[in-house]
Amino acid sequence: GIQVEQSPPDLILQEGANSTLRCNFSDSVNNLQWFHQNPWGQLINLFYIPSGTKQNGRLSATTVATERYSLLYISSSQTTDSGVYFCALGRNNDMRFGAGTRLTVKP
Amino acid sequence: KAGVTQTPRYLIKTRGQQVTLSCSPISGHRSVSWYQQTPGQGLQFLFEYFSETQRNKGNFPGRFSGRQFSNSRSEMNVSTLELGDSALYLCASSLGSGDDYTFGSGTRLTVV
Repeated sequence: GIQVEQSPPDLILQEGANSTLRCNFSDSVNNLQWFHQNPWGQLINLFYIPSGTKQNGRLSATTVATERYSLLYISSSQTTDSGVYFCALGRNNDMRFGAGTRLTVKP
Repeated sequence: KAGVTQTPRYLIKTRGQQVTLSCSPISGHRSVSWYQQTPGQGLQFLFEYFSETQRNKGNFPGRFSGRQFSNSRSEMNVSTLELGDSALYLCASSLGSGDDYTFGSGTRLTVV
């Protein structure tokens, strides 16, 4: 099956700092998404990005499908950005999740 | 619009029992996918239903089953519960292609 690797596993930032989260994958896919899981367990869809670049406020994402990686950028981080960020990918709705990056933003 | 609704939110069951979890998708969404989340294994895909048919299946034993009704609501059932089935069970709905994947708040199952 598809292998998904996320890095780094843990990240601690000071409020206001920028960060880049990486997702490497082993096979071609037509569905790649980034999610944020808050401390209460709710998973929020950040981006649907099987290829190209998208931006939403302080967040942006880039997927280079030919090189099988995706990046999530968080700028001017806030304490509310804390939580676990997951990359999930697959063909259609058979999604495989990475192990996640646990982000802690300190005030 | 209303989000994805999962019931119940919390559940405690005894080993050997069976359990049924419910997921009501966003109105108009025809695809419902189920996931198990544990600290050790992370988020694992269970199965996906689309228009009442199982379209994809993960690598779980036959004790885990599901179904989808004509109104797109879905249920998953776990029979002969084991301690290792303790987990957060999440469902997600989408129109079909997956680009509007929306998760519910989950059902936290504890098996004692």
